[in-house]
Amino acid sequence: GDSVTQMEGPVTLSEEAFLTINCTYTATGYPSLFWYVQYPGEGLQLLLKATKADDKGSNKGFEATYRKETTSFHLEKGSVQVSDSAVYFCALSERSGGSYIPTFGRGTSLIVHP
Amino acid sequence: DTAVSQTPKYLVTQMGNDKSIKCEQNLGHDTMYWYKQDSKKFLKIMFSYNNKELIINETVPNRFSPKSPDKAHLNLHINSLELGDSAVYFCASKSSTRTYNEQFFGPGTRLTVL
Repeated sequence: GDSVTQMEGPVTLSEEAFLTINCTYTATGYPSLFWYVQYPGEGLQLLLKATKADDKGSNKGFEATYRKETTSFHLEKGSVQVSDSAVYFCALSERSGGSYIPTFGRGTSLIVHP
Repeated sequence: DTAVSQTPKYLVTQMGNDKSIKCEQNLGHDTMYWYKQDSKKFLKIMFSYNNKELIINETVPNRFSPKSPDKAHLNLHINSLELGDSAVYFCASKSSTRTYNEQFFGPGTRLTVL
């Protein structure tokens, strides 16, 4: 079946540091790829997405590129802020029969210190 | 104008009791989900309904029973609650028209079983 593997956390950084959170996936077809963010005490919300190979998703300074050759979708940000402290989930969605099956990674906690 | 709402937000109860969590979405989506998130933030899909029809039913104790009275609602009933049921439960919805449509999550219901 499909799976998503992301680096274990927590990732601890100082403000303005560069962030990378690695994500790789296995899928049988051509999935769409997502990054969701969960702030403390809240539900998940979409951060960015990419729908086909070489697409780049971007939002709030975060970027991720859909790399089919390496089956990866790494999340990056050039300069993190304290407000970026949250849990980040990599996910994919693939059609299976008549429905879309979501698969989530285990989440990576990011802690940004002033 | 909340997109996906859940009630209650907090639920504290004794072992052996029966409880329900309600979810409503006003986005016009045709697919809804229930997830369980443990203390390590691992997100596990439990059920998914598409147009009131059950399409995903992961390995979940049969004490958990979802009910979808209409496309906008997906409720979760739990019988004979156990300590291990303590977690945060998230409802989510999406439109199934495209693989790249993201899920919209509710704020979560924190269930504590004593």
